Amino acid sequence: QLQMQESGPGLVKPSETLSLTCIVSGGSISRSGNYCGWIRQSPGKGLEWIGNFYYSGSSYYNPSLKSRVAMSVDSSKNQFSLKLSSVTAADTAIYYCARSLRHYDVLTGSPTFYFDLWGRGTLVTVSS
Amino acid sequence: EIVLTQSPGTLSLSPGERATLSCRASETVNSNYLAWYQQKPGQAPRLLIYGASSRATDISDRFSGSGAGTDFTLTISRLEPEDSAVYYCQQYGRSVVTFGQGSKVEIK
Repeated sequence: QLQMQESGPGLVKPSETLSLTCIVSGGSISRSGNYCGWIRQSPGKGLEWIGNFYYSGSSYYNPSLKSRVAMSVDSSKNQFSLKLSSVTAADTAIYYCARSLRHYDVLTGSPTFYFDLWGRGTLVTVSS
Repeated sequence: EIVLTQSPGTLSLSPGERATLSCRASETVNSNYLAWYQQKPGQAPRLLIYGASSRATDISDRFSGSGAGTDFTLTISRLEPEDSAVYYCQQYGRSVVTFGQGSKVEIK
């Protein structure tokens, strides 16, 4: 049974880069259809989609964060990664990775996702 | 982006009663690409419903989704104590997916 588990520092200083890893167990991330989504949850903004990544290298980011986000994959370690640069206190949140099911925006043809299997989440606090 | 507004903010009901939660979109959700999630304290969200009305794997048939266009509903029949949680809707009709702010269900 596939499981997702986030890991990374719980404390990041303002202006630095937040780096998280999503370790996938119980199956290969290289299996067709396995997209990894990143979602964060904060008291102020609720649930916010950060972006999605496919093991082949395709990435889809929320435009509101696109300039600061980078996602990648390490197939040899069966894990996805998230980097968010120039963080501020507003980036303090619980960060989740989730296996994602892909559909298509019928108006633009762009991929769109919902999330059927979530990691337990990791709290990241931005503070000096 | 599509804004999802959920109501009520909090619903307090007794075991055995029916809960009806609403999710209203600021514009039409294409293809009824609307999902519902349940989140209990300290846990990640869990997928309940996708495609507005399809139950996810291993989800009790007490949970049902309905609606189309801009108005969607999650119904929980025969409430049980374990249904106490916050429920979120999410639209994936547009490439920038968005979530509602959540509705809390309390069991008396």
